[in-house]
Amino acid sequence: SQQGEEDPQALSIQEGENATMNCSYKTSINNLQWYRQNSGRGLVHLILIRSNEREKHSGRLRVTLDTSKKSSSLLITASRAADTASYFCATDPFYSGAGSYQLTFGKGTKLSVIP
Amino acid sequence: KAGVTQTPRYLIKTRGQQVTLSCSPISGHRSVSWYQQTPGQGLQFLFEYFSETQRNKGNFPGRFSGRQFSNSRSEMNVSTLELGDSALYLCASSLALKPNYGYTFGSGTRLTVV
Repeated sequence: SQQGEEDPQALSIQEGENATMNCSYKTSINNLQWYRQNSGRGLVHLILIRSNEREKHSGRLRVTLDTSKKSSSLLITASRAADTASYFCATDPFYSGAGSYQLTFGKGTKLSVIP
Repeated sequence: KAGVTQTPRYLIKTRGQQVTLSCSPISGHRSVSWYQQTPGQGLQFLFEYFSETQRNKGNFPGRFSGRQFSNSRSEMNVSTLELGDSALYLCASSLALKPNYGYTFGSGTRLTVV
């Protein structure tokens, strides 16, 4: 079953605009990660935020995490046509313990950036 | 350094056949995980291997199996293929069992069952 749910399912914006995607999850987590997938290819890791962190930046990406609301957001600033892709959040559940590593992915947000 | 290599990239099989997919992780990475991606179910966890031991298994039938070799390369096998097994199978590797960073994924094997 899916732990994370992204919102919106699809987003279409003009180049240069900002894109915000949200993710909600159900159980306590060790960390939350965001991945990008271009057209049915492999996933590319974007950023990891730990449960004790509230905000993290990487280039044009800004991720926030609110563990009290079990939610995260990914902001892409000054979007480019090359940002067109599907974006997934993935959670490392707290119950997974030290003996295993299993990410639970949401169904993704499909972002289209129009030149 | 080379990324995660999955072979083959595309595969067409008939119902009832079996298939073996291969994954070579990044050199030095000892953890390999497999995920199935379908339009309906999204990304679903299959298995996780670390140092040749299966550490975790997802909620898939026994027709799905895997293994990891001493060089960390991994294979997954699906027997008695069903139409619903058509999917993109993704392999991911990481240096440690519980890394402080994300996975590195391969480009996947697109399996079509006819």
